[in-house]
Amino acid sequence: AQSVTQPDIHITVSEGASLELRCNYSYGATPYLFWYVQSPGQGLQLLLKYFSGDTLVQGIKGFEAEFKRSQSSFNLRKPSVHWSDAAEYFCAVGAPGGSNYKLTFGKGTLLTVNP
Amino acid sequence: AAGVIQSPRHLIKEKRETATLKCYPIPRHDTVYWYQQGPGQDPQFLISFYEKMQSDKGSIPDRFSAQQFSDYHSELNMSSLELGDSALYFCASSSEAGVDLTGTDTQYFGPGTRLTVL
Repeated sequence: AQSVTQPDIHITVSEGASLELRCNYSYGATPYLFWYVQSPGQGLQLLLKYFSGDTLVQGIKGFEAEFKRSQSSFNLRKPSVHWSDAAEYFCAVGAPGGSNYKLTFGKGTLLTVNP
Repeated sequence: AAGVIQSPRHLIKEKRETATLKCYPIPRHDTVYWYQQGPGQDPQFLISFYEKMQSDKGSIPDRFSAQQFSDYHSELNMSSLELGDSALYFCASSSEAGVDLTGTDTQYFGPGTRLTVL
């Protein structure tokens, strides 16, 4: 069974500081990996995804993530955080093999941005 | 680009009532997923459909049922509602081929339906 761990429940950073959100997964092979962002009361917006190939993926809003097979990790990074980045971030995994797969989410990391 | 549409956006029901949530996938997406997100929780997979057939099932109560119709929209039917069913219900859609600006196999989420059971 696939699982996702996001070790940090809540992170606070200052605006303009760099950010790294951690994500570790458990799966027998290389899974599909995703980061979604959710603002309060809103839906889930896809930031970026990894299916295969280049292990450093670029997403929207200046985010990037690096897949490290040896560490079973897919950490999300941003060099300079903006106040509008305050939200909850979910890492998710899916089992590859077609368009039909369920996503398993981590518990989420709540990001607070101080002015 | 068109997104996933869910209706209604908000729904208030009494215990033991029934509710029907609707999901309209991105045009030409053939796969629909339903997820439930309780307060302060991560989304949990309920059920999915591919080409109008149920393709996978998660932690969906027996009181819930769902189907995908010929136009690919999907409905989640919930009966004998309980207080614990209060949650945000998301629908997501995907396409194996990838269409328009949507990536292959990527799940795109709707805004959710917030169900409150009193």
